[in-house]
Amino acid sequence: GQQLNQSPQSMFIQEGEDVSMNCTSSSIFNTWLWYKQDPGEGPVLLIALYKAGELTSNGRLTAQFGITRKDSFLNISASIPSDVGIYFCAGRLTNTGNQFYFGTGTSLTVIP
Amino acid sequence: EPEVTQTPSHQVTQMGQEVILRCVPISNHLYFYWYRQILGQKVEFLVSFYNNEISEKSEIFDDQFSVERPDGSNFTLKIRSTKLEDSAMYFCASTADWSYEQYFGPGTRLTVT
Repeated sequence: GQQLNQSPQSMFIQEGEDVSMNCTSSSIFNTWLWYKQDPGEGPVLLIALYKAGELTSNGRLTAQFGITRKDSFLNISASIPSDVGIYFCAGRLTNTGNQFYFGTGTSLTVIP
Repeated sequence: EPEVTQTPSHQVTQMGQEVILRCVPISNHLYFYWYRQILGQKVEFLVSFYNNEISEKSEIFDDQFSVERPDGSNFTLKIRSTKLEDSAMYFCASTADWSYEQYFGPGTRLTVT
């Protein structure tokens, strides 16, 4: 299967700080999704991206579809304790398929 | 807000037994998926289902797995003869026909002993 690498693997930050994480692959993707997963729960969709270069915001979250179409970025501004969780990227390879490949995840800890 | 639901939340079964995991996708969605997540690892695609047939499946989805939409609301995943390595969280997801935004259920934790 496709390998989507997320970095950093984990982050420990102070409340109020901004967060940046990314997702990279050797393959070209047509769609990127970003999810947040809390322990023992299903992934919750945060942002969807459909075009190279697209920049989309959802509240304090901003995600970008990389120009090369091989990567995507997620930023969280002014982090708060409830931002704690694991953030996954997911990419779709083709225009016809619905199979998404998930990244390895970035674990975020926010210290109050 | 509409959501995907899954039952049971936790299923314990003995190796070799059959299990059926159930999902109720969001009512106006037409694409349905099963994913699994082994503890501490990433989410892995198993299968997608549209118009009453499998549209894509991964190499994980072998002959031991099957999916069915027995009525207008439920979507099920059956594992015929469970193995220890089938222990994982199984997530159902669904999308509307015009979107690739997949919405996940809360998952079923399957423990095979």
